[in-house]
Amino acid sequence: AQSVSQHNHHVILSEAASLELGCNYSYGGTVNLFWYVQYPGQHLQLLLKYFSGDPLVKGIKGFEAEFIKSKFSFNLRKPSVQWSDTAEYFCAVKGNKLTFGTGTQLKVEL
Amino acid sequence: GAVVSQHPSWVICKSGTSVKIECRSLDFQATTMFWYRQFPKQSLMLMATSNEGSKATYEQGVEKDKFLINHASLTLSTLTVTSAHPEDSSFYICSARAKQLWDTNYGYTFGSGTRLTVV
Repeated sequence: AQSVSQHNHHVILSEAASLELGCNYSYGGTVNLFWYVQYPGQHLQLLLKYFSGDPLVKGIKGFEAEFIKSKFSFNLRKPSVQWSDTAEYFCAVKGNKLTFGTGTQLKVEL
Repeated sequence: GAVVSQHPSWVICKSGTSVKIECRSLDFQATTMFWYRQFPKQSLMLMATSNEGSKATYEQGVEKDKFLINHASLTLSTLTVTSAHPEDSSFYICSARAKQLWDTNYGYTFGSGTRLTVV
């Protein structure tokens, strides 16, 4: 069975701080990896995805993530967060189905 | 492009009644639609996968007679919670996968969710 683990449930940062959200997965086969963001009152939106190729993927709004196969990880990063990044972030893995992590609530303070 | 409309965004119903939630792909054809349930502070749990014109495939532990899914067209899927009880109160989210896999989001687009409260 596949599973996804997000280590941080709540993160509070000041504007301009750097962000890294952890995501680890377990699955025996080839996976596709995603990070989604859900702003308050809005639907899930895709931040970035990894299917193959360069393990460092860049997404929208300055986010990036690195797939480290040996560590089964796909951590999300942003060098300098903004107040508008306040949202919930979900890591998702598609093996035989799309499975989500429990989400990380990010609050960016001015 | 690739917009999914989910309706209603919230609903309150009495215990024992049925509630229907609609999920529409507005500008693409969705060959496959997914229904998720999200409990507070928990992950999205896949309930079922539906393919247009065929019966839905339910995940283990999900009662198919309680959560009726119909995917009658390439743009519409419905989830009906039958004989709802307070424990069915949750946030339900649909997702649609485009017919063409290499769509903007590689096929997965989410609705805005439906908050169901059963009293």
